[in-house]
Amino acid sequence: DARVTQTPRDKVTEMGQEVTMRCQPILGHNTVFWYRQTMMQGLELLAYFRNRAPLDDSGMPKDRFSAEMPDATLATLKIQPSEPRDSAVYFCASGLVPFPGELFFGEGSRLTVL
Amino acid sequence: EDQVTQSPEALRLQEGESSSLNCSYTVSGLRGLFWYRQDPGKGPEFLFTLYSAGEEKEKERLKATLTKKESFLHITAPKPEDSATYLCAVRNTGNQFYFGTGTSLTVIP
Repeated sequence: DARVTQTPRDKVTEMGQEVTMRCQPILGHNTVFWYRQTMMQGLELLAYFRNRAPLDDSGMPKDRFSAEMPDATLATLKIQPSEPRDSAVYFCASGLVPFPGELFFGEGSRLTVL
Repeated sequence: EDQVTQSPEALRLQEGESSSLNCSYTVSGLRGLFWYRQDPGKGPEFLFTLYSAGEEKEKERLKATLTKKESFLHITAPKPEDSATYLCAVRNTGNQFYFGTGTSLTVIP
């Protein structure tokens, strides 16, 4: 049963610390998305990759967030330094775009910055 | 600007009481409208894709429909296990996906 795998599931950290979240997309999918979910904003698009190339990261605060895809089995989202307002659930999703196009989500990484 | 608006924000139904959830959208070239179900503490789970106005998809008690401006998720005779947040998303010509904030559905036994 193919699925998107995210680590860690939960992370509590102090303000100013570096946080790295990892995602293993479904094998064969060509597109990976990072989303952030909060009660107020819902799912916000942070960045996405096609065939490992970054296509859009306009949703990310550039001064502290970075996203990379070092190989086809790993996508990373890094926050340095972290701030309390970064507290949210971060989701990775992968899909075969443009067709059929639907995205499959991981279980998310819940980040709490104190 | 591409945008998705879902209503109502929350819906409480008695078991067996049918209803509909609404998803209104504006998008620069629709390349698909997607419905997802999200349970607490979980990632969104894919339900349907609709590509063109007039298209309908069904799965168990759920039926999704699409017009040029909105989509409806019809829930027929819901059961408590249908309780979840239902999310709508659109994909534009740039292959970006934009999500609504969801409708939280509670089905009371």
